[in-house]
Amino acid sequence: QSVLTQPPSASGTPGQRVTISCSGNSSNIGKNYVAWYRQLPGTAPKLLIYRNNQRPSGVPDRFSGATSGTSASLAISGLRSDDEAEYYCAAWDDSLSGPVFGTGTEVTVL
Amino acid sequence: QVQLQESGPGLVKPSQTLSLTCAVSGVSINSLGSHWYWLRQAPGKGREWIGHIFHTGSAYYNPSLRNRLTIFLDTSKNQFSLKLTSVSASDTAIYYCARNKGDAWFDPWGQGTLVTVSS
Repeated sequence: QSVLTQPPSASGTPGQRVTISCSGNSSNIGKNYVAWYRQLPGTAPKLLIYRNNQRPSGVPDRFSGATSGTSASLAISGLRSDDEAEYYCAAWDDSLSGPVFGTGTEVTVL
Repeated sequence: QVQLQESGPGLVKPSQTLSLTCAVSGVSINSLGSHWYWLRQAPGKGREWIGHIFHTGSAYYNPSLRNRLTIFLDTSKNQFSLKLTSVSASDTAIYYCARNKGDAWFDPWGQGTLVTVSS
């Protein structure tokens, strides 16, 4: 059911910057805001970014979001071992009249 | 602090009805502008929007589930629920409830509850 495409995995060493891409189309990312979430197995998803590049209170500025056309990206700078998790994007889809989600990216800290 | 907690049976037989409830604390579910969602993730599959309901009680459903799905509010208990009829193995998933704050901005989410459809 995932409509937004992400790479299955990404990795980096501590302190590095990792960027995760999210590709959609003109019905979703091309027209609507993107959000990013982080999830560990068995836990509730946590909001990292909303409205393309806004961080909720409590999310460090190491996390940043950007969009360009029908794609979005999440950057994690100063990578830490506790950043290991699954990250996924989401956007409203005008064709569905509902939200669609990314395929998810597992981030590994080497 | 707003918190959501899903509850329901972990196992449902094929062709039966799945009923789940999401208990909300920290905010009234019928406060102006509140949008409450159900989402799910089947094993090995992506996340899927099931449907949502506004504080007014108006509900909107994923077209793929519309003819089997009902979402409703219980304001007396400050919770919202879903009923999915005629379930099959393809409905096996972790089911989440979440508050929507606009577009695909969900915060917070419930922990999720695993529902298995099996005889």
